[in-house]
Amino acid sequence: GDSVTQMEGPVTLSEEAFLTINCTYTATGYPSLFWYVQYPGEGLQLLLKATKADDKGSNKGFEATYRKETTSFHLEKGSVQVSDSAVYFCALSVSNYKLTFGKGTLLTVNP
Amino acid sequence: NAGVTQTPKFRILKIGQSMTLQCTQDMNHNYMYWYRQDPGMGLKLIYYSVGAGITDKGEVPNGYNVSRSTTEDFPLRLELAAPSQTSVYFCACSPLSGGSNTGELFFGEGSRLTVL
Repeated sequence: GDSVTQMEGPVTLSEEAFLTINCTYTATGYPSLFWYVQYPGEGLQLLLKATKADDKGSNKGFEATYRKETTSFHLEKGSVQVSDSAVYFCALSVSNYKLTFGKGTLLTVNP
Repeated sequence: NAGVTQTPKFRILKIGQSMTLQCTQDMNHNYMYWYRQDPGMGLKLIYYSVGAGITDKGEVPNGYNVSRSTTEDFPLRLELAAPSQTSVYFCACSPLSGGSNTGELFFGEGSRLTVL
């Protein structure tokens, strides 16, 4: 079946550090890929997405590139802020209306 | 614009009790979902609906029921609460675009349920 594996947390960084959260996937079809973010006490919200190979999704300084050859969709940000502290979820959708989520990665950014 | 509204936000149940988690969306989205979130386990799909009158099971439907009588409402029913149902429950909706689901989900703030 479809699955998403993302890097185990927690990840702790200092402000302005570079962030990478790894995500790889297994899918029976040709998926769309997503990163969602969950701030403390809130529901998830879409951060960025990519729908085909080599697409780059970007938002709020975060980027991720859809790599079909390595079945990966790693999340990166060049300079994190304290306000980026949250749980990040990688997800995929093959069926066009159901998402499969990874387990989430907790990011804490210290000033 | 409220988006997706879930009630209650917190609830404690005794084993064997029943309750309904309410979910209402004002975005006129066709697709609605219920997920549960357990620590370190990500989100698991319980039930989903592609439109009023149509519901289907997700990965972990046992112990739950849903209905979708209107586009706006998608309540989740727990008939006989068990400790294994202690979790945070999220309702979400998703729009159609060009006849296809976009894959972008809009989530409510969650309902934290404890079964003792």
